[in-house]
This record gives sequence, C-alpha cells and structure tokens, in this order.
Amino acid sequence: QVHLVESGGGLVKPGGSLRLSCAASGFAFSDYYMTWIRQAPGKGLEWVSHISTAGLIISYADSVKGRFTISRDNAYNSLDLEMNRLRAEDTAIYYCARSRITSSGWDPYDYWGQGTLVTVSS
Amino acid sequence: SYVLTQPPAVSVAPGQTARVTCEGDNIGVKSVHWYQQRPGQAPVVFIYQDTNRPSGIPDRISGSNSGNMATLTINRVDAGDEADYYCHVWDSDRSRPVFGGGTKLTVL
Repeated sequence: QVHLVESGGGLVKPGGSLRLSCAASGFAFSDYYMTWIRQAPGKGLEWVSHISTAGLIISYADSVKGRFTISRDNAYNSLDLEMNRLRAEDTAIYYCARSRITSSGWDPYDYWGQGTLVTVSS
Repeated sequence: SYVLTQPPAVSVAPGQTARVTCEGDNIGVKSVHWYQQRPGQAPVVFIYQDTNRPSGIPDRISGSNSGNMATLTINRVDAGDEADYYCHVWDSDRSRPVFGGGTKLTVL
C-alpha cells in the first residue's frame, strides 16, 4: 500500500522559515520523481518543485526559486522542502506526489499525500 | 509559458452528461491527465494519458484530446460527481508540469 505522509506545516511569520517533510512507504521510492504541489485556500493546484530519482535534476516554479530548496534521501524514503523568506502568498496546503517518466511520456501524479497546511501571517 | 484554460464552473442535471474542457495551444500533441478533487481531500487521478481510466473509475467516465482542446466527459452524472476537476500536461519547452485552473462541477 502506497503511503505519502507530509508533516512540518504550521503558522509562520512573513520572512520566516519552515521545513516540510514527506515520508514515503509501500513502493520503490528511488524509482520515482517526487514533487511538491501546493493549493492556496479556495484556489487551484500549483506545481512548486520536483526532484529526479537520484536527485540530479531539480526544478522550481518561478514563484519560489531562490527561496525554496527540495531534497530527498532515498535511504530513508523521505522528501523535504526547505522554505525560506516566506510570504503571505505562500499560504497553502502543500502536497507531495510521485510520478515517473516512461517511454510514453510523463505519468500522472498517481499518489498524493493528504497535505500539510502552511500559513504565513503576522 | 504554456497555459491551460478551463471553465471555472459547469452545472448539469442528474442523469445528464457533463463535459469539462481544457484548452491549450496544440494540446492534442500532448498527453493530458485529469484529476478529481473532492472538498477537503487530495486530488485523485481520474483520466491519464488522454483517455485511460485508472482501476476503479467507471466506464461512464471518458477523455478525449484533439487540436486545441481536451475534454473530460462524465455520463449519467450523479451527486457523487460533484467535485473540482483539473487537467495537467507537461510543458516540454520549460520542462515543468502545468495545471489548468480547475472546474467546479455542480449537479443541479
């Protein structure tokens, strides 16, 4: 049974930092790209960042580039997102999700965590 | 950057057919995935690679993709289909995924 469990969300002041984690189980973690996707209250889905299977390919949305850092530890089946210089517009539920690249192209995000809420407010 | 446009809302009577569109430049050459998101829950894959249904998704659900439009079709709609629906493609020019803005399906 595939499980993705996010943690680390909470209330933080503008300019502050937070570290999110995603614990994975039930699948070969090192075979999958891992992604952070966020959803602001009442809004749609926004891709934040992803990291390749071995961590060699990393991409960020323009809105978080230079402030957020994604990382993974395949030995511990974990994914992290270090978030610095947080802004009010970073307030959202943050989901981790898995996907793969195949010969047919990119698979969908077939498993998502339940999400962790980050609130940036003074 | 690549943009996907969805109608914010679609309303349909029970038993009728709902169509949720996703418009993008030459989207027909891309592989489109659809997600269903119920209130308070994480998104779930609904259709993948244009037309494929994950296990557990009934055959009254279908997808198509051609030209500048991808469409999610839900036949014989019932109250359980009320949810937000998102389309998703890979933007090969910027090497990143793109989501549509989402469509709220209301069953009248």
